[in-house]
Amino acid sequence: DQQVKQNSPSLSVQEGRISILNCDYTNSMFDYFLWYKKYPAEGPTFLISISSIKDKNEDGRFTVFLNKSAKHLSLHIVPSQPGDSAVYFCAASDVQGAQKLVFGQGTRLTINP
Amino acid sequence: GAGVSQSPSNKVTEKGKDVELRCDPISGHTALYWYRQSLGQGLEFLIYFQGNSAPDKSGLPSDRFSAERTGGSVSTLTIQRTQQEDSAVYLCASSSGLSDTQYFGPGTRLTVL
Repeated sequence: DQQVKQNSPSLSVQEGRISILNCDYTNSMFDYFLWYKKYPAEGPTFLISISSIKDKNEDGRFTVFLNKSAKHLSLHIVPSQPGDSAVYFCAASDVQGAQKLVFGQGTRLTINP
Repeated sequence: GAGVSQSPSNKVTEKGKDVELRCDPISGHTALYWYRQSLGQGLEFLIYFQGNSAPDKSGLPSDRFSAERTGGSVSTLTIQRTQQEDSAVYLCASSSGLSDTQYFGPGTRLTVL
């Protein structure tokens, strides 16, 4: 039972354009959501998070949107840069920032020059 | 400063053998987590340690899996009588507390022949 789903295994975007990565979840108890970025042969690195009391969080070129009624979140990267090419995982938990992060399968983002 | 380190980076073993995977968390981090990522899947929670509290082992897939954390620092994940389905990347993460961002190591890629 996949509680966090990233339905797009891959995404290709032109440099300078907006990248939009999507994530859906099924567990209504989730109240904290995170995005991690992973390069090959490295561990995931934290990118941005959002609490369920908010619907948007922005950090530089990265913005995460949360739609609780739809159980959907998205990560926007604008403008996209070649260094953004990586696998992006969304994750969720039911206690803020705590244990047992539940991860999606990941989306491989490729930024084309 | 030093991040989370894991050893070995790669491990190839024969079915039925025992393996030990090591994790050195960031100095001073009280919480330590183990996850695994099977091919094409997201990260799957295995176990976490927080300070001197009893570990949460709810994610361990079978009794062949065990983990310990000595002196509140280094952790070892042991898999006994390995099976081919144990092949995965095993990732360790640490955080300064349960409410803080988890920082991941580079992982150990385990291949069971």
